[in-house]
Amino acid sequence: RKEVEQDPGPFNVPEGATVAFNCTYSNSASQSFFWYRQDCRKEPKLLMSVYSSGNEDGRFTAQLNRASQYISLLIRDSKLSDSATYLCVVNRMDDMRFGAGTRLTVKP
Amino acid sequence: GAGVSQSPRYKVAKRGQDVALRCDPISGHVSLFWYQQALGQGPEFLTYFQNEAQLDKSGLPSDRFFAERPEGSVSTLKIQRTQQEDSAVYLCASSGGYEQYFGPGTRLTVT
Repeated sequence: RKEVEQDPGPFNVPEGATVAFNCTYSNSASQSFFWYRQDCRKEPKLLMSVYSSGNEDGRFTAQLNRASQYISLLIRDSKLSDSATYLCVVNRMDDMRFGAGTRLTVKP
Repeated sequence: GAGVSQSPRYKVAKRGQDVALRCDPISGHVSLFWYQQALGQGPEFLTYFQNEAQLDKSGLPSDRFFAERPEGSVSTLKIQRTQQEDSAVYLCASSGGYEQYFGPGTRLTVT
């Protein structure tokens, strides 16, 4: 079993839709949590950190449930430019573990 | 300032050849990471340096893989006697303490 598991996707949604991605992790000692975005044939880039209290950045909301070892990302009012692969990342002492990613395609 | 750079961007090697992949981190970043990303998968951790010290190499898949960072800046990942299963994108990332910044990767194809 992989240390970080994500919805495999792909998610194909129309513009303006709300879409949610889920992620679970197995190491309860994990300390920090992130969502990265990776465009096709590009490097991953940090989208946002994830806090237990939940955090929002514009149309993006991230949530962490430490008890359930579960992380989520919600994208509201999706745009064509949101099409990418979203990677759930779990960090412990600079040891970052990535999920396999969830591919999102937003269609006109 | 410049981001993380990697070279070469693409490398085709015949099975059995040795390859060397270079990473230039962001200036001043103490931490440097190497990852292997297979098609359709997320990056898999290979090894981690803090300055010149290799603190974790648990992700290196075999003793054919070797990484170094002798002066605490540029790093080289070397793969000896390449095999077809080594075909992947090799990503380097550096960190100044929080976020990891990735380079564009080296796409290695072993034929």
